[in-house]
Amino acid sequence: DQQVKQNSPSLSVQEGRISILNCDYTNSMFDYFLWYKKYPAEGPTFLISISSIKDKNEDGRFTVFLNKSAKHLSLHIVPSQPGDSAVYFCAASFGNEKLTFGTGTRLTIIP
Amino acid sequence: DADVTQTPRNRITKTGKRIMLECSQTKGHDRMYWYRQDPGLGLRLIYYSFDVKDINKGEISDGYSVSRQAQAKFSLSLESAIPNQTALYFCATSEFPGQGTQYFGPGTRLLVL
Repeated sequence: DQQVKQNSPSLSVQEGRISILNCDYTNSMFDYFLWYKKYPAEGPTFLISISSIKDKNEDGRFTVFLNKSAKHLSLHIVPSQPGDSAVYFCAASFGNEKLTFGTGTRLTIIP
Repeated sequence: DADVTQTPRNRITKTGKRIMLECSQTKGHDRMYWYRQDPGLGLRLIYYSFDVKDINKGEISDGYSVSRQAQAKFSLSLESAIPNQTALYFCATSEFPGQGTQYFGPGTRLLVL
């Protein structure tokens, strides 16, 4: 049972435009959500997170939105840059326990 | 120097061989994790340890074992490697108390022939 789902395996976006990556979850107990970015031959790196008591968290060009009623979160990157090309994983946890990861979305920024 | 290191970075082995992957961290975190990444399947948890005396199975622990030698070291063993254990393996750490953000090593690429 995939509790965290990223339904888009890949996404291509023009440089300078907005990239929107989506993630859905099924477990209503999740209380903390994260986005990780992964380049080839490197480990995932933490990008941004959001607690379930919030609906938005912003860090520079990156914003995460959480819609608890829809069990949906999204990552917005504005403006998109070539260095943003990577695989993005969403993850969720509850009670500061282990993380459950989605399957990832490969983002390609087109110059 | 990297906070979370993994050795080896690449390994080729044969079916039936025992292999150990090692992870060390300098972040001072109590919690450590082992994941594998397969195409289209994301990151799946193999084992995790919340302190030196606490070891827990993850969602795909069959065929694997772990050892937590110290706060800073967490090793993953494949007792008898099989081809479907070919994957990318990642070690991660997190602090407690905290939000649960995990910090990953660079990964080990394992090929089982």
